[in-house]
Amino acid sequence: DVKVTQSSRYLVKRTGEKVFLECVQDMDHENMFWYRQDPGLGLRLIYFSYDVKMKEKGDIPEGYSVSREKKERFSLILESASTNQTSMYLCASNPTSGSSYEQYFGPGTRLTVT
Amino acid sequence: AQSVTQLGSHVSVSEGALVLLRCNYSSSVPPYLFWYVQYPNQGLQLLLKYTTGATLVKGINGFEAEFKKSETSFHLTKPSAHMSDAAEYFCAVSEGQAGTALIFGKGTTLSVSS
Repeated sequence: DVKVTQSSRYLVKRTGEKVFLECVQDMDHENMFWYRQDPGLGLRLIYFSYDVKMKEKGDIPEGYSVSREKKERFSLILESASTNQTSMYLCASNPTSGSSYEQYFGPGTRLTVT
Repeated sequence: AQSVTQLGSHVSVSEGALVLLRCNYSSSVPPYLFWYVQYPNQGLQLLLKYTTGATLVKGINGFEAEFKKSETSFHLTKPSAHMSDAAEYFCAVSEGQAGTALIFGKGTTLSVSS
């Protein structure tokens, strides 16, 4: 089974802190994604990566950056956390090969910025 | 641009009743369609997917969905609701290009009463 893990289930940070959210997948997938989930808004794409050191902005990249130094790991960075970044953050991955295009999700990190 | 509309942000049914969650999509190319379920404080789990072939797709936990191209719909159904079906459900679409993200609807919360 594909496994996507996220470093923390719950995180509380202060305004202005630099925050790192880590995601690791164990299935050698080329593509990895970061979404944020807010009530009534569904999932919105922040960034994705289709290869090591490659990244593409999603729909809401402002205030975030990402890092992908190894194939299995994709990090989301909040350079200076703000209260409007309080949200559920979901990581996902999928392979480039194959024909189903489904994504495999981690358990999520619920981030609270105070 | 692709988009997904889920009609009804909240659906309530009685245990044993039919579950119908509606999803309409817009896509300029034949789409790949997905339903995901999210239980409280968990990540997303794939319920079922349509890629090609048979338009009636069966998934886990007794759910099924039918792809209707003429109606651009992919509604999710289950003949008899169970208390354990209470969760949030997301419809998603992909244009089937490797390395691209899914486009999600805003979600429908299903409540099941005894």
